[in-house]
Amino acid sequence: QKEVEQDPGPLSVPEGAIVSLNCTYSNSAFQYFMWYRQYSRKGPELLMYTYSSGNKEDGRFTAQVDKSSKYISLFIRDSQPSDSATYLCAMLMNYGGSQGNLIFGKGTKLSVKP
Amino acid sequence: DADVTQTPRNRITKTGKRIMLECSQTKGHDRMYWYRQDPGLGLRLIYYSFDVKDINKGEISDGYSVSRQAQAKFSLSLESAIPNQTALYFCATQRQGNEQFFGPGTRLTVL
Repeated sequence: QKEVEQDPGPLSVPEGAIVSLNCTYSNSAFQYFMWYRQYSRKGPELLMYTYSSGNKEDGRFTAQVDKSSKYISLFIRDSQPSDSATYLCAMLMNYGGSQGNLIFGKGTKLSVKP
Repeated sequence: DADVTQTPRNRITKTGKRIMLECSQTKGHDRMYWYRQDPGLGLRLIYYSFDVKDINKGEISDGYSVSRQAQAKFSLSLESAIPNQTALYFCATQRQGNEQFFGPGTRLTVL
């Protein structure tokens, strides 16, 4: 079993839809959870960053962490064609040594149709 | 100017050739990473370095080597390239306790 599982999609939605992207993980030691967005032919860039359980909201984006279920989600409200990208979840245990290395999901490719 | 730069951006080479990919950063971060990205396999860690004198193997280091020439520079070498090393390669930097910042990537094709 991989440490981090993410459905690769592709996921296609109409403009204005609510998008839900998810990852599951197996290592209960993960404490920091991130979502990266990667446009075609670009490097990943950080979108959301949360520590431990709970929700974090930033504009149209909400990141949710449920440590009891080992499940994280990214919600996109009022999705736009400019949101079309690959979304990668990432997590790490703490910042000491190799435990500070990020473990990535494989990414979900999202397409928002006008 | 970009904080993390990679050269070259695209490279086509032949089997058996030696090739070097270079990464430079102006962020002042201690940690630097090399990843490769393949369709369906996501990002996989090749090597990482926590400072100039520190080199560590990642998940898929076979066939690769690295050099950390300075805090700001981290190079990845393929001593004898093979076709299954065709991929998109990313360099990333990180300051302890924070996010990783990625370069724009190098698209490598080995014929």
